Amino acid sequence: EVQLVESGGGLVQPGGSLRLSCADSVFTFSTNNMNWVRQAPGKGLEWLSYINSDSSTIYYAESVKGRFTISRDNAKNSLYLQMNSLRDEDTAVYYCARGHSSSWFAFWGQGTLVTVSS
Amino acid sequence: QAVVTQEPSLTVSPGGTVTLTCGSSTGAVTSGHYPYWFQQKPGQAPRTLIYDTSNKHSWTPARFSGSLLGGKAALTLSGAQPEDEADYYCFLSYPGARFVFGTGTKVTVL
Repeated sequence: EVQLVESGGGLVQPGGSLRLSCADSVFTFSTNNMNWVRQAPGKGLEWLSYINSDSSTIYYAESVKGRFTISRDNAKNSLYLQMNSLRDEDTAVYYCARGHSSSWFAFWGQGTLVTVSS
Repeated sequence: QAVVTQEPSLTVSPGGTVTLTCGSSTGAVTSGHYPYWFQQKPGQAPRTLIYDTSNKHSWTPARFSGSLLGGKAALTLSGAQPEDEADYYCFLSYPGARFVFGTGTKVTVL
């Protein structure tokens, strides 16, 4: 069974930093693209970032470009999101999603909550 | 930034059919936008139903289908079940590596 588990969320002050992790249970992690998506409380989904299997292609949403950095460690079956200069509006549940075949979002984690507040 | 618009809410009778649409502020939605459809129930992570306009995952119930309709992406639910009550989001890809989720549709089965 495919399982993605996010971690690293929590309470952080505005201007602070946080690093999210997403651990993938399948051995084929290194061959799949990954995405980060977030959802503010009571709001819709917002795409944040994409990384391909060998990290040679990376995309960011304008809202996080220059503040967030996506990365992966295929040896550890893990995806990361380094979040700097956090703002109140970054408060959300953050999901990782793994691709499969030509689908970018075949599998989703359960999410980790990030709260930015003083 | 493109705005992707969906109906805020729709109601369908059990066993009935409903079509959700996904429009783009930039013009007609085409297969080149690689439309996705996701289902999200309260307190749960999204689940991907449709990718690349009409492709289904192995777990996608047969009653869901994706298409292009009148310049929009469409998700049709035929034979609605109580468990289909959820929020539904579409997702479109744009040139220049721009990717946008739709505003979401709350579907009530009543």
